[in-house]
Amino acid sequence: GQNIDQPTEMTATEGAIVQINCTYQTSGFNGLFWYQQHAGEAPTFLSYNVLDGLEEKGRFSSFLSRSKGYSYLLLKELQMKDSASYLCAVRDQDDKIIFGKGTRLHILP
Amino acid sequence: EAQVTQNPRYLITVTGKKLTVTCSQNMNHEYMSWYRQDPGLGLRQIYYSMNVEVTDKGDVPEGYKVSRKEKRNFPLILESPSPNQTSLYFCASRRQGNNQPQHFGDGTRLSIL
Repeated sequence: GQNIDQPTEMTATEGAIVQINCTYQTSGFNGLFWYQQHAGEAPTFLSYNVLDGLEEKGRFSSFLSRSKGYSYLLLKELQMKDSASYLCAVRDQDDKIIFGKGTRLHILP
Repeated sequence: EAQVTQNPRYLITVTGKKLTVTCSQNMNHEYMSWYRQDPGLGLRQIYYSMNVEVTDKGDVPEGYKVSRKEKRNFPLILESPSPNQTSLYFCASRRQGNNQPQHFGDGTRLSIL
């Protein structure tokens, strides 16, 4: 079956760095997305990876290893507004998007 | 402004009373889909459409219907709602292409009593 795993919750301190991991087992692979979702709001797109390696976008970076079925989202210089859920999603060989259950990130002052 | 618009944003209704949640996008996207989001279960796809007049079941289609008569609209229909359909619903659209992210509407919170 198709499966995406990510931690349920994480806590980090304002100004610090946090890494949110995602592992996946899917029918084929056509790319991995990370979304941010604040409570009660719509998910918003953060990053896309399809080749191995690191994609950097300001304070956020995303890494992919296709051979290991593994990705992480790295958030630097954490701010209180980064308190949100982070969703890992994979596009499979049939162009279907499968979402993980999300990681709720708490930022402490 | 590029957006996906859902209506209503909130609805409380009773079991068995047919309802429709509308979704409209102004970005000329080919692909549209509906998700429900429940605590501990994440986003689960209900139905999707790759273009006009083409719809397919997602992971949890039971109790729902959709139609795609025009490119911009993708309504979600609950013919006979039941309490287990109480949830937060999101409509999303995107262009065709592997690297195209989904754009989500603001969500519809449905409560079925």
